Amino acid sequence: DTGVSQDPRHKITKRGQNVTFRCDPISEHNRLYWYRQTLGQGPEFLTYFQNEAQLEKSRLLSDRFSAERPKGSFSTLEIQRTEQGDSAMYLCASSPGPTGNYGYTFGSGTRLTVV
Amino acid sequence: AQSVAQPEDQVNVAEGNPLTVKCTYSVSGNPYLFWYVQYPNRGLQFLLKYITGDNLVKGSYGFEAEFNKSQTSFHLKKPSALVSDSALYFCAVSSRGGKIIFGKGTRLHILP
Repeated sequence: DTGVSQDPRHKITKRGQNVTFRCDPISEHNRLYWYRQTLGQGPEFLTYFQNEAQLEKSRLLSDRFSAERPKGSFSTLEIQRTEQGDSAMYLCASSPGPTGNYGYTFGSGTRLTVV
Repeated sequence: AQSVAQPEDQVNVAEGNPLTVKCTYSVSGNPYLFWYVQYPNRGLQFLLKYITGDNLVKGSYGFEAEFNKSQTSFHLKKPSALVSDSALYFCAVSSRGGKIIFGKGTRLHILP
């Protein structure tokens, strides 16, 4: 296992279209996190899962955003009716347990451009 | 709610000089503190963490950080900077092992 994988690396979409991103965590990691990073800013927390359960969702996440982690393995993040303000780098991270004991391992991210 | 402040957008240091990147935090209860580094076109990489114990934490690439509870600070340090240390550095905090909240980042420029 070589780390956290995210697909695609880049996505250009027209405003109003739906997009879906995939994250494959390190196989033995039961926690999976999604963040969004815009230029010049730090990563903003979106949501996280422990196994298949979504434990927390940021108030930043509008109803157009949804995330799933079926069977506690890979996760998908879907954005419906994309807006230009959704343009950002979407980062996925995983950890084997609570962050008190472990840091995150991040993927390389999916860069979304909404035109 | 937890938060992190990185007061400097950019820090410039001459190669070979010591460097410090500042961070202060706010959290309920005992903090879990982290530093991450981001190189251009690459993901964030873990540098070091403080959970409990010795206030001076050593991490990757010769970096260390000093936890100061009274000043609620967790400054990143390195005794002798390298040009290859130039990158974007993020301080982060977690409360009770939950999600990690990141600062806005400090760009470190090491001048040859």
